[in-house]
Amino acid sequence: GENVEQHPSTLSVQEGDSAVIKCTYSDSASNYFPWYKQELGKGPQLIIDIRSNVGEKKDQRIAVTLNKTAKHFSLHITETQPEDSAVYFCAASGGGGADGLTFGKGTHLIIQP
Amino acid sequence: EAQVTQNPRYLITVTGKKLTVTCSQNMNHEYMSWYRQDPGLGLRQIYYSMNVEVTDKGDVPEGYKVSRKEKRNFPLILESPSPNQTSLYFCASSLSRQAGELFFGEGSRLTVL
Repeated sequence: GENVEQHPSTLSVQEGDSAVIKCTYSDSASNYFPWYKQELGKGPQLIIDIRSNVGEKKDQRIAVTLNKTAKHFSLHITETQPEDSAVYFCAASGGGGADGLTFGKGTHLIIQP
Repeated sequence: EAQVTQNPRYLITVTGKKLTVTCSQNMNHEYMSWYRQDPGLGLRQIYYSMNVEVTDKGDVPEGYKVSRKEKRNFPLILESPSPNQTSLYFCASSLSRQAGELFFGEGSRLTVL
């Protein structure tokens, strides 16, 4: 089955700096890669996703890049703000959607004032 | 308001005492799923359902049961809870198995003594 590795497990950055979280996947058939943000005491919420026919996708301060050859994808957050502090999960799916998602173990992002 | 509602949010119980965690969504979603979240292990899928009366095992189904008699409800049943089922549980739903976004509930924190 699919295996998703996520790094780092904890990331501390100064407010205003950029943050990058990286994930690798094992199944070359995976074709859908979402990122979820989990705030304290809440359920995860989708923030951005990318499909295998696209190399990069951007939404305001967040962007995701995908390298199919190397089987890795990354989340980039620019101009970090205190409200970006949360746990972020990457995931991969071979079915192109919600079914069969395998999640990474999560990254705790801490924004230092 | 579109949402996934879980109950109870917090529960402390004892080994062997059957319990049910309810999950209801008001978005007419076909796909529903249960996950458990444990420190250092991320989100792992327990069971999922692609539609009414259709359920299947996820990655960690041992000790759990589910049913999908109605489209909106997807209860998680622990027939004989054990301490290793102490965890944070999330119910999630999606428009369909091919649709990208999973909508998560707020979580149910279960402690088995």
